[in-house]
Amino acid sequence: DTGVSQDPRHKITKRGQNVTFRCDPISEHNRLYWYRQTLGQGPEFLTYFQNEAQLEKSRLLSDRFSAERPKGSFSTLEIQRTEQGDSAMYLCASKGGDSYEQYFGPGTRLTVT
Amino acid sequence: AQSVTQLDSQVPVFEEAPVELRCNYSSSVSVYLFWYVQYPNQGLQLLLKYLSGSTLVESINGFEAEFNKSQTSFHLRKPSVHISDTAEYFCAVVMFSGGYNKLIFGAGTRLAVHP
Repeated sequence: DTGVSQDPRHKITKRGQNVTFRCDPISEHNRLYWYRQTLGQGPEFLTYFQNEAQLEKSRLLSDRFSAERPKGSFSTLEIQRTEQGDSAMYLCASKGGDSYEQYFGPGTRLTVT
Repeated sequence: AQSVTQLDSQVPVFEEAPVELRCNYSSSVSVYLFWYVQYPNQGLQLLLKYLSGSTLVESINGFEAEFNKSQTSFHLRKPSVHISDTAEYFCAVVMFSGGYNKLIFGAGTRLAVHP
């Protein structure tokens, strides 16, 4: 069990550029979550996958955001036409089907200049 | 809908002193509660959880939390803190929605342990 991994750990981009983040969950976990954390706040739910199916998207996830989990393993989160307000830590978490606790990756810190 | 309130945004304390980080929740259904810890530039680590059974739960590094249904609280305590406990602490409640669940977090409490 190598834990949840995320790549990259840090991303600096200019406003208007597209960025993509990757999350690799714990291998036997079929549930995957994305959260966003801004400075001084707790994580806020963005979206949820059960296997490859995306079952919920928060209204925080504008149409510039898209997430996929094509084979029910790793997931990607893409932000198109980034804005300064997108600057945040993007956290990925996974869990097994019968448990309640989620296991978090180290996060990707996005800075939009 | 479930929500979590962490009453203190920052808690400064001296090393070896006791500390309590407060958390209140609102929930109309079964309650499952967590404390996570976040060190600088890292993700969240599960510290302890309440799912059922004993209302007092403990972590391996000396923290404990008590589920109090009548006061809708899940305060985190440690009798003697170390410098290494300096971190951000988040309380979370499970929210049930459409046959699955997700975590709702409080805004966090920054614990600063001073020598």
